[in-house]
Amino acid sequence: QSVLTQPPSVSAAPGQKVTISCSGSSSNIGNNYVSWYQHLPGTAPKLLIYDNDMRPSGIADRISGSKSGTSATLGITGLQTGDEADYYCGTWDSSLTAYVFGTGTKVTVL
Amino acid sequence: QVQLQESGPGLVKPSETLSLTCTVSGASSSSYFWSWIRQPPGRGLEWIGSIYNSGRTYYNPALKSRVTISGDKSKNQFSLRLSSVTAADTAVYYCAAQEYTWMAVPSWFDYWGQGTLLTVST
Repeated sequence: QSVLTQPPSVSAAPGQKVTISCSGSSSNIGNNYVSWYQHLPGTAPKLLIYDNDMRPSGIADRISGSKSGTSATLGITGLQTGDEADYYCGTWDSSLTAYVFGTGTKVTVL
Repeated sequence: QVQLQESGPGLVKPSETLSLTCTVSGASSSSYFWSWIRQPPGRGLEWIGSIYNSGRTYYNPALKSRVTISGDKSKNQFSLRLSSVTAADTAVYYCAAQEYTWMAVPSWFDYWGQGTLLTVST
C-alpha cells in the first residue's frame, strides 16, 4: 500500500490539459523533493520532472510540475496520443527511510 | 551517457533465492545511488532498495528481511538477492541510477535499464 496517492486515471481530448495529483504527508512530499515518471508498457520509466518542478533536458515545456505543502501536481498541456501512458510520482520518505512511488495514474487521450 | 543492463535467470522456483545483476557503463560507483525497482503484472512501481559506493544501503521496509543489495566496483556491477521468493515476487525488475540530495539521501532516478522479467513458478 503506497503512502503517495494518485487518481487511478485521467483523460482529455487531444490538445487539452490534464493534471495529476500526488498526495502524501509531511514525512515525504512535505519535506522532500518530488519527481515524476512516464511509463509506457514494455519500456523503462522515463524521468519527466525532478526537484518538484525541474525538467531534464529533452523534456518538452508543455510538461510541468509543482508542489504545495504535502501534495504535488504534474501538468501536461497540448495533450498528444503519445502521452497515453502511466505516470508515477516519487519521493523520499524520511520516516520510513525509504523511497516511495505513488499509486500511478493512467492517462487516456480521448 | 550512463547505461544499465539487467541480467538474471528469468525463472526461479518458490522458496529459492532470486539473484539479479546490473552492469553499468558510463559512470562510477560514487556518482549515484544504484537501485532496484520492480513492477508486478498489473501493478505499480515498487522501490526495492539502493546502494551507494558499494557500501551504504537503504531497503524497502516491506522487503528488508529478504533483500540484499551489493556492489562490485571492479566489474562495474551491482546485484540484488531476494530470498524465499513466492509468486508475489513475479515482476519486471529494473535497475536504475539514482541521484542524491545535498543530505545524501536517494532522490530522482536518472537512468534506467530496460528491465528483466522474473517469474516465480515450479
